[in-house]
Amino acid sequence: DIQMTQSPSTLPASVGDRVTITCRASQSISSWLAWYQQKPGKAPKLLIYKASSLETGVPSRFSGSGSGTEFTLTISSLQPDDFATYYCQQYNSLWTFGQGTKVEIK
Amino acid sequence: EVQLAESGGALVQPGGSLRLSCAASGFAFSSYEMNWVRQAPGKGLEWVSYSSSSDSTKHYADSVKGRFTTSRDNAKNSLYLQLNSLRAEDTAVYYCARVRTGVNAFDIWGQGTMVTVSS
Repeated sequence: DIQMTQSPSTLPASVGDRVTITCRASQSISSWLAWYQQKPGKAPKLLIYKASSLETGVPSRFSGSGSGTEFTLTISSLQPDDFATYYCQQYNSLWTFGQGTKVEIK
Repeated sequence: EVQLAESGGALVQPGGSLRLSCAASGFAFSSYEMNWVRQAPGKGLEWVSYSSSSDSTKHYADSVKGRFTTSRDNAKNSLYLQLNSLRAEDTAVYYCARVRTGVNAFDIWGQGTMVTVSS
């Protein structure tokens, strides 16, 4: 099974900050990686697929990069609506989620 | 509008059974692969099961293999998850999610239904 490890688990940040979340796969997954945003009591929302493709309707301040085993999600300028938990997901072999990164107010 | 709506969640005793439903609307359900994902209270997301568009291929997480069964009725635009031999650790919100064709990421999610396993 492919394991996904996100860091950090919690990320204190302020509005306007550049935020980077890292996701590592236990083996190569090529570019088969997605990022989701989840707010309390809500379903996850797809942000990025195939490592760097922006989902329709998602603001351009979100970007993804990486391939193989190392991936990053970057928010170029954090907005109030972006405080949430973010999950990476591999889909190279079935599906596995990372443990999540909570972006909280500093 | 493209939508998924889960139902069937309840409080059930350990060892009990439950059937969850996911009703799809606004898209050609029979053309899409579907999954179930769960989230225990205060925890992260866990993939549970997969159903191909024709229901001919299914996959399960090791944690539920042999206890849970996914099925679908394309004529009714519905996906199902039969939960048997339930354990306390199965307590979670259960989401159904659509697979984006050609991408394999989950592009549409339902609002979730809560399953609580407790005596």
